[in-house]
Amino acid sequence: GIQVEQSPPDLILQEGANSTLRCNFSDSVNNLQWFHQNPWGQLINLFYIPSGTKQNGRLSATTVATERYSLLYISSSQTTDSGVYFCAVEGVYNFNKFYFGSGTKLNVKP
Amino acid sequence: GAGVSQTPSNKVTEKGKYVELRCDPISGHTALYWYRQSLGQGPEFLIYFQGTGAADDSGLPNDRFFAVRPEGSVSTLKIQRTERGDSAVYLCASSPDGQAGTGELFFGEGSRLTVL
Repeated sequence: GIQVEQSPPDLILQEGANSTLRCNFSDSVNNLQWFHQNPWGQLINLFYIPSGTKQNGRLSATTVATERYSLLYISSSQTTDSGVYFCAVEGVYNFNKFYFGSGTKLNVKP
Repeated sequence: GAGVSQTPSNKVTEKGKYVELRCDPISGHTALYWYRQSLGQGPEFLIYFQGTGAADDSGLPNDRFFAVRPEGSVSTLKIQRTERGDSAVYLCASSPDGQAGTGELFFGEGSRLTVL
């Protein structure tokens, strides 16, 4: 299967700071999603972004499929941004099976 | 409801018992997925349904695990002779159409299984 590596594994921010989370993947992908897993375990969709750039409020994401990476930007972080951020990819040769990274655990302190 | 619904939210059982976990996908979504998440890890694929049939069950760990979706909507994940290593959060997801790739996945809140 596809190897998905996320960095950094852990991140501590002061409220108001900006951050960049990275997702590297080992093969060509058909699909890529970013999720935020809240403290109750719910996976919340952030971006469906197999390529290009999208923005949603303080969050934005960029996927460069040809170079096999995606970035998630969080600006002006808030304590409610805390949780684990997952990148998940679906390979072009292996439909219908998402591979997840191990996540970036974010702690935003007031 | 509007989202993916999973029941029970928590299940505690004893080693060797049988367990059923239920998933009700978003209305109209033809594709349904089961994933398993262990503590500190990302979710891992178990099985994918397109309609009523299991199109890919390659992630099921062994023959104690089985899943059905008899009418193409609600799905049940069945675990026989549970073992302590089966303890995890079982996540269900659905997407509008899985025939040309997954499309956007939407997850339920999960069923936390604890095997004593």
